[in-house]
Amino acid sequence: GAGVSQSPSNKVTEKGKDVELRCDPISGHTALYWYRQRLGQGLEFLIYFQGNSAPDKSGLPSDRFSAERTGESVSTLTIQRTQQEDSAVYLCASSPDSYGYTFGSGTRLTVV
Amino acid sequence: AQSVTQPDIHITVSEGASLELRCNYSYGATPYLFWYVQSPGQGLQLLLKYFSGDTLVQGIKGFEAEFKRSQSSFNLRKPSVHWSDAAEYFCAVGPTSGTYKYIFGTGTRLKVLA
Repeated sequence: GAGVSQSPSNKVTEKGKDVELRCDPISGHTALYWYRQRLGQGLEFLIYFQGNSAPDKSGLPSDRFSAERTGESVSTLTIQRTQQEDSAVYLCASSPDSYGYTFGSGTRLTVV
Repeated sequence: AQSVTQPDIHITVSEGASLELRCNYSYGATPYLFWYVQSPGQGLQLLLKYFSGDTLVQGIKGFEAEFKRSQSSFNLRKPSVHWSDAAEYFCAVGPTSGTYKYIFGTGTRLKVLA
């Protein structure tokens, strides 16, 4: 598509439930990134996919977080047993190379 | 280690006044540098980028930034701020070694007074 698409745009979930967030990158973009942005804070790197290389998971905050990407297409970020501190905007970005990212609009996750 | 610092968490300016947002970086070579803007409830939009060449780069919405290697800085400027510029601004530097991954600053929130 023309841009990076994220779904859902908003998600409210009960504490302890699992959630799955989806990111559709721009076609042909080999790199895909997930970031977390808590209210009033900056961007926190979560995970990075680059082609067929092993993903860089160094930013995942706990083993409740996982992400997958099939080839150079869609990625899903899964949060298991959600906690209130997981409430944030989850941003996805993609890039064709090292010349900068295109961000999606984000998924606003609220854990109640 | 590679890092980027935005020293100002909040900045308030009057509409029509000039603006400068600071960004300092630590990087082993000539970095690629970016400024992004995030309006409330929106994703991040690229304002401008520097890769090489002319150290003064022009971006969208009347913004410009100047790369100063000696000061390890990439400050964002605008001669006359509009109320619609109220947003959060992020500086980014990279790529990190062997990857396409960038490091983002913690952001500067701009408030514009009418």
